[in-house]
Amino acid sequence: EVQLVESGGGLVQPGGSLTLSCAASGFTFSAYWMSWVRQAPGKGLEWVANINEDGRDKYYADSVKGRFTIARDNAQKLVFLQLNSLRAEDTSVYYCAGIYCSGGSCSWFDPWGQGTLVTVSS
Amino acid sequence: DIQMTQSPSAMSASVGDTVIITCRASQGIRNYVVWFQQKPGKVPKRLISAASSLHSGVPSRFSGSGFGTEFTLTISSLQPEDFATYYCLHHNSYPLTFGGGTKVEI
Repeated sequence: EVQLVESGGGLVQPGGSLTLSCAASGFTFSAYWMSWVRQAPGKGLEWVANINEDGRDKYYADSVKGRFTIARDNAQKLVFLQLNSLRAEDTSVYYCAGIYCSGGSCSWFDPWGQGTLVTVSS
Repeated sequence: DIQMTQSPSAMSASVGDTVIITCRASQGIRNYVVWFQQKPGKVPKRLISAASSLHSGVPSRFSGSGFGTEFTLTISSLQPEDFATYYCLHHNSYPLTFGGGTKVEI
């Protein structure tokens, strides 16, 4: 069964840090780009970051650039999101999602994890 | 950065109606658009890729069209399970951006 399972969310104070993890199973993880997408309570979807198959290429939304870091461990089938200098507006459910690229085209954002909630509050 | 302006933000419809949702890109993005459906408390589900290519298992009443800057998601003969929020996403260049969403209500 294809599955992504996020963990690491929780309550953190403004200015604090948190590391999210996403564990993959049921597919060839090392062949996929991986992505983080977030959704603030009652709001729409916001793309956060992408990382390519070998972890060398990383892209970030302007809203998180310089504060968040995406990384991966292909041996452990894990993708991470390090969240630093957290702000109240970072409060969201954070989803990881897979992107499969082959032959010049990509299958975007499938599968998705169930999400992990990050709450930034004092 | 490319902005995706989605309209309407919300709409009321009835079972059997045809619903059209539009996303307008702030610059040309070829056909690099994906459409998602999200139900309350659930994970987004991909419906359509490359603006018009239906994902496996998605009912044929869903269709997408467009190229360049104007894109539409059409739901023909709306079913009770289609009441949800729909999002477009462009992947033409970084940063990727989602549209603001369209909530389809009864």
